[in-house]
Amino acid sequence: GENVEQHPSTLSVQEGDSAVIKCTYSDSASNYFPWYKQELGKGPQLIIDIRSNVGEKKDQRIAVTLNKTAKHFSLHITETQPEDSAVYFCAAPYQGSGNTGKLIFGQGTTLQVKP
Amino acid sequence: DTGVSQNPRHKITKRGQNVTFRCDPISEHNRLYWYRQTLGQGPEFLTYFQNEAQLEKSRLLSDRFSAERPKGSFSTLEIQRTEQGDSAMYLCASSPWNEQFFGPGTRLTVL
Repeated sequence: GENVEQHPSTLSVQEGDSAVIKCTYSDSASNYFPWYKQELGKGPQLIIDIRSNVGEKKDQRIAVTLNKTAKHFSLHITETQPEDSAVYFCAAPYQGSGNTGKLIFGQGTTLQVKP
Repeated sequence: DTGVSQNPRHKITKRGQNVTFRCDPISEHNRLYWYRQTLGQGPEFLTYFQNEAQLEKSRLLSDRFSAERPKGSFSTLEIQRTEQGDSAMYLCASSPWNEQFFGPGTRLTVL
């Protein structure tokens, strides 16, 4: 089955610095890679995603890069702000499930942005 | 608000009781998922509906769990004879195709 590994588990940065979170996946048929931000007591919020036909996607201060050969994808947050503090999850669909789109999530990264 | 809604937001029950959660997806999203999330972990897939058809169930979904999506709109997840190990956040997500949009979740505590 699909396996998604996420690193680091915790990340602490100073306000204004950049943060990078990395994920690897095992199912070479995966073609869609979302990132979610989860604040305490809330459901995961989709913040950016990338499809396998592109290598990079940007949306203001966040970007995602994908290396299909190495089965890696990363989230980059620039000019971090205290409100970026949250738990971030990467995910990939398990294509072996008949294209139901069920997501396999990484273990999560707790990002702390210090003012 | 046109996002995914879930009710109740919190549920405390005694071991052995039955509980039912409701999810109202974004209208016109034909895909609906249930996930379970325990503290410090990512969400784990439970089951998937396309319209009213339940097309996949995880091995995590024991016989005590049942889900329905009558008429392909809202969905319910019922847990019978709850156990302490069922304590978790139960998340619902709806999707038009790839993107999955999550609700706020129902936090279940089994005493």
